[in-house]
Amino acid sequence: QSALTQPRSVSGSPGQSVTISCTGTSSDVGTFNYVSWYQQHPGKAPRLMIYDVNKRPSGVPGRFSGSKSGDTASLTISGLQAEDEADYYCCSYAGSYTYVFGTGTKVTVL
Amino acid sequence: QVQLFQSGAEVKKPGSSVRVSCKASGGPFDTYAFSWVRQAPGQGLEWIGGIIPFFGSSYSARKFQDRVTFTADRSTNTAFLELTNLRSDDTAVYYCARLGPYINQGRFDSWGQGILVTVSS
Repeated sequence: QSALTQPRSVSGSPGQSVTISCTGTSSDVGTFNYVSWYQQHPGKAPRLMIYDVNKRPSGVPGRFSGSKSGDTASLTISGLQAEDEADYYCCSYAGSYTYVFGTGTKVTVL
Repeated sequence: QVQLFQSGAEVKKPGSSVRVSCKASGGPFDTYAFSWVRQAPGQGLEWIGGIIPFFGSSYSARKFQDRVTFTADRSTNTAFLELTNLRSDDTAVYYCARLGPYINQGRFDSWGQGILVTVSS
């Protein structure tokens, strides 16, 4: 159960869009549509932002969206805002009642 | 929306065990799974495993299988994690999280505040 691969960091100016990739294998992301994304500010607990690849929980701004193609899932933040600066983690169901997280991506708002 | 309240920080010696708790309030307890996720200092999130209180069935990542025990007290809506044979690299913040709606179709929709477990001689 290796961690899903994410870029270490991405950055963008306010108002721009950024996309974070999350690459797994045919044993997790490639097979199951149970990919979720979490936002974590320093010293805080993670917060669910996207689930089931592209669904947003109540209260999550519409500028957050998710997608998946093959073994790679993606999180896009459109109209980047200062409060979006945080670490982001993907997570996938990996079969046999197990889950695997991504390596994490730091989003910097320039 | 369920809220999860975790026990306080722990300092342990190498080779010892730690038991941490997570009390759920304001939402269903039995029918969800409760998972544990840890985060070493400056590192990413790592899924450990968890339990479905109603069935008492537990599940874990392969690397923890021989050192971890998950239990739940349905009378107090509390889930527990016990980790044995502690090593220095077990030093981390341990989060509990509710996993739903089903154990094999889930997302972690509520999180506790985290517990710092420090393993040091």
